[in-house]
Amino acid sequence: GAGVSQTPSNKVTEKGKYVELRCDPISGHTALYWYRQSLGQGPEFLIYFQGTGAADDSGLPNDRFFAVRPEGSVSTLKIQRTERGDSAVYLCASSLTPGRDSPLHFGNGTRLTVT
Amino acid sequence: LAKTTQPISMDSYEGQEVNITCSHNNIATNDYITWYQQFPSQGPRFIIQGYKTKVTNEVASLFIPADRKSSTLSLPRVSLSDTAVYYCLAHASQGTGFQKLVFGTGTRLLVSP
Repeated sequence: GAGVSQTPSNKVTEKGKYVELRCDPISGHTALYWYRQSLGQGPEFLIYFQGTGAADDSGLPNDRFFAVRPEGSVSTLKIQRTERGDSAVYLCASSLTPGRDSPLHFGNGTRLTVT
Repeated sequence: LAKTTQPISMDSYEGQEVNITCSHNNIATNDYITWYQQFPSQGPRFIIQGYKTKVTNEVASLFIPADRKSSTLSLPRVSLSDTAVYYCLAHASQGTGFQKLVFGTGTRLLVSP
């Protein structure tokens, strides 16, 4: 079946601009996660949704970052006033349930480049 | 969340068995051990998970000794397509019931002909 889909696959933007990154999770998965991965590093947790609500947003670096999941399926990560340090691959993952015995299924990410 | 330590890189040849050992000295009673594989330009992919003793699936085996302070991922007869980064994680469900995975830098496995 279809996996986690992320669009766009690549995004180049200028410093100071606003960007939106979209994630389509696997159908029926209630839990959705956003991670960020810099070159040579492992993914870093940003935010977790259970249903429509953000249950844990402790990984968001600052208030320029915001994410929504209005209908409990598709999620959008929004970054305001982008900075060059925001350049990274943004990964979305979903799992059937939030528990540890439900593996995360990751998308291939959106590569964000801020010039 | 238990900190994990694993080799930065490993080299192997096609057809060999590869064992990647991960140290997690401070693992908690509720923590499970999970391994993910990541190819370039792709997101991580779940390989295997275990709590203790041995777990085997169609891809790999996971060996966890009784003290659970380490674990070993075993890949039988690797091929060139097994070249990837392998992440070891020790985690449990959080208070809200979800798993906050903490990835280290992983082990870069290079399989040569």
